[in-house]
Amino acid sequence: GAVVSQHPSRVICKSGTSVKIECRSLDFQATTMFWYRQFPKKSLMLMATSNEGSKATYEQGVEKDKFLINHASLTLSTLTVTSAHPEDSSFYICSASPKLAEIYNEQFFGPGTRLTVL
Amino acid sequence: AQTVTQSQPEMSVQEAETVTLSCTYDTSESDYYLFWYKQPPSRQMILVIRQEAYKQQNATENRFSVNFQKAAKSFSLKISDSQLGDAAMYFCAYRRWDTGTASKLTFGTGTRLQVTL
Repeated sequence: GAVVSQHPSRVICKSGTSVKIECRSLDFQATTMFWYRQFPKKSLMLMATSNEGSKATYEQGVEKDKFLINHASLTLSTLTVTSAHPEDSSFYICSASPKLAEIYNEQFFGPGTRLTVL
Repeated sequence: AQTVTQSQPEMSVQEAETVTLSCTYDTSESDYYLFWYKQPPSRQMILVIRQEAYKQQNATENRFSVNFQKAAKSFSLKISDSQLGDAAMYFCAYRRWDTGTASKLTFGTGTRLQVTL
């Protein structure tokens, strides 16, 4: 149980286009989802926290107009990188925290999405 | 703000031997969680072990155990009988105690573990 999927796993796009990444909790309802960015050989950097039905909370320095996050249901959150540029190329990872009280303090991670902007 | 420090960028261990990865953290809170995550080359984050700060007993999971020193704010991971499959990036992480909503993880910079024959 507690599987989180991400789609796509890899995406290559041209500079100036927008890219949408989906994060789904497959077998549980996720009250909260988190979006991270990871540069090569570096740690995970939290970008934003999203709660179902409310606006995402962005970390300091993260452009909310560039990285649009939607958490429309308890099983789906999306990250849209708008007007992508080469410097947005990175590995994006989502995690989900279950709604169930007894395990709501767990976070389960998706497999990540590699974004390459040409 | 909470910070997590891993002072060992890289470690190496021979197969079947034991290795300890270090982690220190800084917080003003008394209740929290600490985690060790493994990230293999596939980059899928895998939870290795977790410790609740209110528990005095050190957590263990098969070959993995921690040495949790709350006063010293230290949380090291011991891997016994190391296997080739243990080779990965290991991240120490801190999470505040929740009272109804999930809070974020703060990660350390990671330690790359190599396992040699």
